[in-house]
Amino acid sequence: DTGVSQDPRHKITKRGQNVTFRCDPISEHNRLYWYRQTLGQGPEFLTYFQNEAQLEKSRLLSDRFSAERPKGSFSTLEIQRTEQGDSAMYLCASSRKNYGYTFGSGTRLTVV
Amino acid sequence: GQNIDQPTEMTATEGAIVQINCTYQTSGFNGLFWYQQHAGEAPTFLSYNVLDGLEEKGRFSSFLSRSKGYSYLLLKELQMKDSASYLCAVRDEGTNAGKSTFGDGTTLTVKP
Repeated sequence: DTGVSQDPRHKITKRGQNVTFRCDPISEHNRLYWYRQTLGQGPEFLTYFQNEAQLEKSRLLSDRFSAERPKGSFSTLEIQRTEQGDSAMYLCASSRKNYGYTFGSGTRLTVV
Repeated sequence: GQNIDQPTEMTATEGAIVQINCTYQTSGFNGLFWYQQHAGEAPTFLSYNVLDGLEEKGRFSSFLSRSKGYSYLLLKELQMKDSASYLCAVRDEGTNAGKSTFGDGTTLTVKP
């Protein structure tokens, strides 16, 4: 069990640029989640995969956000045309059915 | 949807006992989780309740009453390292089972 890995740890980008984050879940976990967290708030759900199938995407998200999980392994989260309001910590988590989440260390995005 | 309420802040003394409450109103329920989050770090799983009653794990215990939409996390023999944010999360049922909705967390400060 090597834990959930996220890359990069920090990303600073200019407004309007595209960014992509990667998450490598625990290999035995078939469920993978993306959340976003800002200071003083709890994690906010973005999207959820079971194996390679994306089962739900938050209605709060605009079409600028997209996520993939090819072959049910690692996942990527892309944000197109970034805005300052996208600045947050992006958390990836994985789990087995009926178990709690194991979170990665997160990717802190700053849009300037 | 889910609505989760927890106190924003609590303060307690080293060696004491503290109870952090969580109330929820949900359209579906398939378990309640507690996570601990130290400043600048990702959340880590503490406990899971799906049936009514008390679950004990060392210094930490969690209680659930589904009929009242209520849970609490009990921390005994407080240590300075327990200073952190404590997040209550409710898991959806049905086709979205697996996805959890988080409260905004309770920041606990343990003083000497």
